[in-house]
Amino acid sequence: ETGVTQTPRHLVMGMTNKKSLKCEQHLGHNAMYWYKQSAKKPLELMFVYNFKEQTENNSVPSRFSPECPNSSHLFLHLHTLQPEDSALYLCASSQDWVGLASYEQYFGPGTRLTVT
Amino acid sequence: AQKITQTQPGMFVQEKEAVTLDCTYDTSDQSYGLFWYKQPSSGEMIFLIYQGSYDEQNATEGRYSLNFQKARKSANLVISASQLGDSAMYFCAMREGPDVNGGSNYKLTFGKGTLLTVNP
Repeated sequence: ETGVTQTPRHLVMGMTNKKSLKCEQHLGHNAMYWYKQSAKKPLELMFVYNFKEQTENNSVPSRFSPECPNSSHLFLHLHTLQPEDSALYLCASSQDWVGLASYEQYFGPGTRLTVT
Repeated sequence: AQKITQTQPGMFVQEKEAVTLDCTYDTSDQSYGLFWYKQPSSGEMIFLIYQGSYDEQNATEGRYSLNFQKARKSANLVISASQLGDSAMYFCAMREGPDVNGGSNYKLTFGKGTLLTVNP
């Protein structure tokens, strides 16, 4: 595996279900991110982890719970979601953000989530 | 106010022609970075090109070039010799300067994107 991988690629869940999204990066990066992409809206940053420490929670509802056990893996635990949470969830990684270096973020293919 | 504005929801171009995708940004920082990403229908965001605010020359990467006009706060993407595989959503993004504590800023702010269709 190379780059950033995400599983599952598609997920349909009911509002009472509990599920988890998984992200793995094979790039040796130190920072990992969760984004939400809804139709007709810009990408929204949800969470940021740097060296396994959460450094950003962008006012995300508690029904989304991230977990970063090591620098290569990132999870997003989902429970009691709402239909408006249906979206494409993208994971990304980068080198740490020293200064303003051009450390671009590398994205995974995303998980298409549908909440019924 | 939006930090990144992409005014073209959709663009069409003939194969082998050049196309410019517009992006304007809003920041009071002197130090910032501008990025362009491509998102095919498969969903993955693909990094294309980067321009730093202090870079004097416009960035180029193969068929991609960034027309950086700092005074106008614009960072347009130019794709030369369009190919059918260029059909995708294109997003402009910005990372601003250090935070109030002098720490580095990691947030990327994205525009709403432009859907490019390349016609044969």
